[in-house]
Parts: sequence; structure tokens; C-alpha cells
Amino acid sequence: DAKTTQPTSMDCAEGRAANLPCNHSTISGNEYVYWYRQIHSQGPQYIIHGLKNNETNEMASLIITEDRKSSTLILPHATLRDTAVYYCIVGTDSWGKLQFGAGTQVVVTP
Amino acid sequence: DGGITQSPKYLFRKEGQNVTLSCEQNLNHDAMYWYRQDPGQGLRLIYYSQIVNDFQKGDIAEGYSVSREKKESFPLTVTSAQKNPTAFYLCASSDRTVDWKEQYFGPGTRLTVT
Repeated sequence: DAKTTQPTSMDCAEGRAANLPCNHSTISGNEYVYWYRQIHSQGPQYIIHGLKNNETNEMASLIITEDRKSSTLILPHATLRDTAVYYCIVGTDSWGKLQFGAGTQVVVTP
Repeated sequence: DGGITQSPKYLFRKEGQNVTLSCEQNLNHDAMYWYRQDPGQGLRLIYYSQIVNDFQKGDIAEGYSVSREKKESFPLTVTSAQKNPTAFYLCASSDRTVDWKEQYFGPGTRLTVT
């Protein structure tokens, strides 16, 4: 599976959009981009995934560049409860394993 | 409510003792997983099971053992052979017929061995 690069941390003001970048320059054509988040001392929570088209659900939007070498997770209106570590993971839909990196620590401030 | 339960939330053991962590799911998922998380680190895969009576080693299986006798249960035993057992242990499950990478996680068990 391709490796991903994320910033170590970022801050966001409550009520504003949070844009979380992820680089995956070695992604191959059949690999998806998955996002999870982990609130402190809890289990990770699946957020969203996509292959090449932009995706949106009730939690977030995922924007994947046309060359698929990077993506952005957007939390449209960040709340204090969105403070968490966000993981960007790349992998195929054939059986394998989720490769969690260190993720991005997002802190939403009032 | 459907979900994954792990018990206990906190567990303390003396060095040299084996300890078993419980993981139960009522999501009717075929696949189940155990991960380990150390402070400030991402998750690392210990074992996974795609179906009852079958399981495979993950990246860090040494010093751990599992069983999968029932679809809803996937207990993890941390043996005395595990050199650094103190960690946060997370269990997950997924519906492998839908998308196995959409994994649902339990609340975790924090194990401290002294």
C-alpha cells in the first residue's frame, strides 16, 4: 500500500471549516483513500473514503486531486468535539491491512 | 444497539502473568482485528480473522495469541513472552463483503503490566 504524509498538527477555530491535507504521491490506480479519526483515549472512527471522485457524507467531504497524489478532508463547521487525531490511509479493496501512521492532531478552539 | 464491546476498560497485571482481553461484536461482521497503540503512535495490527476458526498474524504478533471459535468473539491473550505489553489495545470488526476497510472499533482496553 502507498504511504501517506500528513502534517503533525493543526488548529482550527470553532465554526470554521477545517481542511486536512494528505499527500500520497505513490498511490496506484486501484488504491482508495480512507480517513479515520481518534478522539483521545477512544477507538478510531471511520469517516469517509474515496477512489477518484469527491465524496461527501454527514461527517465530512473528501476532495481528491485529479492526479490522485493528494487529498483534503474537509470538516465544514468544526466543533470542539472534532478535536482528535485524523488518519489518512491508502489501500486497495482487496484484503490487506489498514496502515495507520501518526496522523494529524487537530485542535478546535473556541 | 449494535457495536463492539471490550472489557475491561483498564487492566493491571504483574509481569510474568498471561492476560486475556475480551472483544465481542453484535454487528454480524465476519472479520475482526486486534491492534496495539503506544503513546503518541498510530495503531499496529497484531492479529486478524476473516472468518470463524481462521486467523492470521499481523505485523506484531509475537507474544500474543488469539482464538476465533465464535463469529461474535475474538479474545486476545497477552502472554508473558510479550516483552513490552503495556499499551492501549483496540479491537475492530468489518463486513468484508461490503468494504473490509470500513472498520468499527471498540472503546479499547488499557493494559498496564508492572
